[in-house]
Amino acid sequence: GQQLNQSPQSMFIQEGEDVSMNCTSSSIFNTWLWYKQDPGEGPVLLIALYKAGELTSNGRLTAQFGITRKDSFLNISASIPSDVGIYFCAARTTIRTALIFGKGTTLSVSS
Amino acid sequence: KAGVTQTPRYLIKTRGQQVTLSCSPISGHRSVSWYQQTPGQGLQFLFEYFSETQRNKGNFPGRFSGRQFSNSRSEMNVSTLELGDSALYLCASSKEASGGGDTQYFGPGTRLTVL
Repeated sequence: GQQLNQSPQSMFIQEGEDVSMNCTSSSIFNTWLWYKQDPGEGPVLLIALYKAGELTSNGRLTAQFGITRKDSFLNISASIPSDVGIYFCAARTTIRTALIFGKGTTLSVSS
Repeated sequence: KAGVTQTPRYLIKTRGQQVTLSCSPISGHRSVSWYQQTPGQGLQFLFEYFSETQRNKGNFPGRFSGRQFSNSRSEMNVSTLELGDSALYLCASSKEASGGGDTQYFGPGTRLTVL
């Protein structure tokens, strides 16, 4: 079945550093989403991408929908302690198909 | 605008019992999806409801069921609970925009512990 391979699994960085994570798949998707989840809470949507090649920013966050439609990346610039959490990529084929999720990237930021 | 709300936030049950979880979507959203999140398996899709009809179903046993009401609120039920059902159960709602482009917004989840 379809699956998303998210990497890295975890990252330990210093405050101020830039971060990059990505998701790849052998399947083609029409929507890519990036979420952040804090402990004990539900995922919060960070960025939504609907078009191949699309590059979208949300503050210090930038995400791109891969041109092949099989991958996406998320960059966080100048990380701060509140960036700590688990970041998930998610994708779906059409509006009528279920969203599938990557396993997540756990980000730790030391000040 | 209020977000997705889920009740209860925490629940402790024993094996063999059944449980019902509730989800109220964002006002105006007609689609509700349910997910199970565990440390080992991550986020796994349970089912999706749209206009009171189940539109998609994940690969879970029949002990997991759900329904949606005319006001778009949804409930999910797990019967004959097993230890492995301990998880964070997340509900997400979306507007179902026409012409593509749809985004799911998650609630805070219900933490179910089965003893």
